[in-house]
Amino acid sequence: AQRVTQPEKLLSVFKGAPVELKCNYSYSGSPELFWYVQYSRQRLQLLLRHISRESIKGFTADLNKGETSFHLKKPFAQEEDSAMYYCALEGGGNKLTFGTGTQLKVEL
Amino acid sequence: EAGVAQSPRYKIIEKRQSVAFWCNPISGHATLYWYQQILGQGPKLLIQFQNNGVVDDSQLPKDRFSAERLKGVDSTLKIQPAKLEDSAVYLCASSRQRGVNEQYFGPGTRLTVT
Repeated sequence: AQRVTQPEKLLSVFKGAPVELKCNYSYSGSPELFWYVQYSRQRLQLLLRHISRESIKGFTADLNKGETSFHLKKPFAQEEDSAMYYCALEGGGNKLTFGTGTQLKVEL
Repeated sequence: EAGVAQSPRYKIIEKRQSVAFWCNPISGHATLYWYQQILGQGPKLLIQFQNNGVVDDSQLPKDRFSAERLKGVDSTLKIQPAKLEDSAVYLCASSRQRGVNEQYFGPGTRLTVT
C-alpha cells in the first residue's frame, strides 16, 4: 500500500522567511513524487515533480529515499505563495495518492 | 488550450436522492480521472479511464457510485442513492496518456447531502 503523510495542516511564516513543507511517503517500489498547489479560488495544479529536478517559482524539492521524504522548500517566502500544498505519490499507472495537504500562510 | 470543464459547480440534495456530475476533459487527453475530496483531506481517486475503458475503479463504492465515459471523451459520475458521507468536492482530471503525466484538474463540483 502507498501512503503520503503531510504532518502540518497549517504553516504560517513571515514574508522573506524560509519555507519548508514536509512530506513523507510509504511505498515499496520506486516512487514518482509531485507537489500540487491550489491557490485561493483556483484549480489544483502541478507545481513540480521530482524527476524534473527543476525549481518552480523558487520552490525546490529533493527526493530522499533513505528518509522517504520529499520536502518542499523555498528560501524566501512571498505573499503570493500563500496556498494549499499537496504532496502526491505515483506508484504505477499514473494513479496518484495525495497527502492531506498543508495550508501555507505568508504574513507580511 | 481550454481546461477541464465540470458541471454543476454546486449541488445540494437530500440523502437517498440521486445526483450526476459531468466532466469534459482537455481535448486529446486519453486518460480521465474522478477524485473525491472530503473536507480536510486530499483528493482520493475513485475511477480512472483510458479512452472509454476503466483502468482502475478499486476505490469506487460500486453499490452506489457509477461512472461512464462514452466515446472516450466526456464522462459522467453518478451517485444513487446519496448518503450524508458523500458530501465532498468531486474533481475531474485528465492527462495526455497513461504513464507519468501531469494531471490537469477541473474546478470541481461541491456536493452537499442533507
